[in-house]
Amino acid sequence: QKEVEQNSGPLSVPEGAIASLNCTYSDRGSQSFFWYRQYSGKSPELIMSIYSNGDKEDGRFTAQLNKASQYVSLLIRDSQPSDSATYLCAVPSNTGNQFYFGTGTSLTVIP
Amino acid sequence: DAGITQSPRYKITETGRQVTLMCHQTWSHSYMFWYRQDLGHGLRLIYYSAAADITDKGEVPDGYVVSRSKTENFPLTLESATRSQTSVYFCASSDPGDYEQYFGPGTRLTVT
Repeated sequence: QKEVEQNSGPLSVPEGAIASLNCTYSDRGSQSFFWYRQYSGKSPELIMSIYSNGDKEDGRFTAQLNKASQYVSLLIRDSQPSDSATYLCAVPSNTGNQFYFGTGTSLTVIP
Repeated sequence: DAGITQSPRYKITETGRQVTLMCHQTWSHSYMFWYRQDLGHGLRLIYYSAAADITDKGEVPDGYVVSRSKTENFPLTLESATRSQTSVYFCASSDPGDYEQYFGPGTRLTVT
């Protein structure tokens, strides 16, 4: 089983809708979780981090963490065409020296 | 320019050749990383370094060599390139205790 798993998609949503991206992880001891966005041909950039169970909101983005079920999700409200990208879930190793990345979910927002 | 840079941005080489990809960061971050990104596999860690002269293997180190004599530089060498090493390579850096990794623009390597 991979450390981090994501549905590769592609996921298509109409402009203005809510996009929901999901990620599961295997290490029950993981404490921190990260979402990176990667535009086509570009490098990944961090958009959200979450450390505690529950929701964390930042503008149109909400990260949700459920440690008991070992999943973390990213909601994008009022989706815009500029949100079209691949979203990568990342979980640090227990030493913090390495990151395990999911394969990413490709999101397309249709105008 | 401040930040993290990689060179070359594009490289085509032949099987069996030695290739070195360069990575340079100006933030004095302790940690530096090399990833490769392939369709269906996502980002996979090749090697990382916690400080100058300290390196360690990641998930897919075979066929690669790294060194870190200076904090700001972290070159990745393919000693004898193979077609399976055709990929996009990303360098990243971070500070201890700060989990955010800052990525360079990437190098697209093609091995023919």
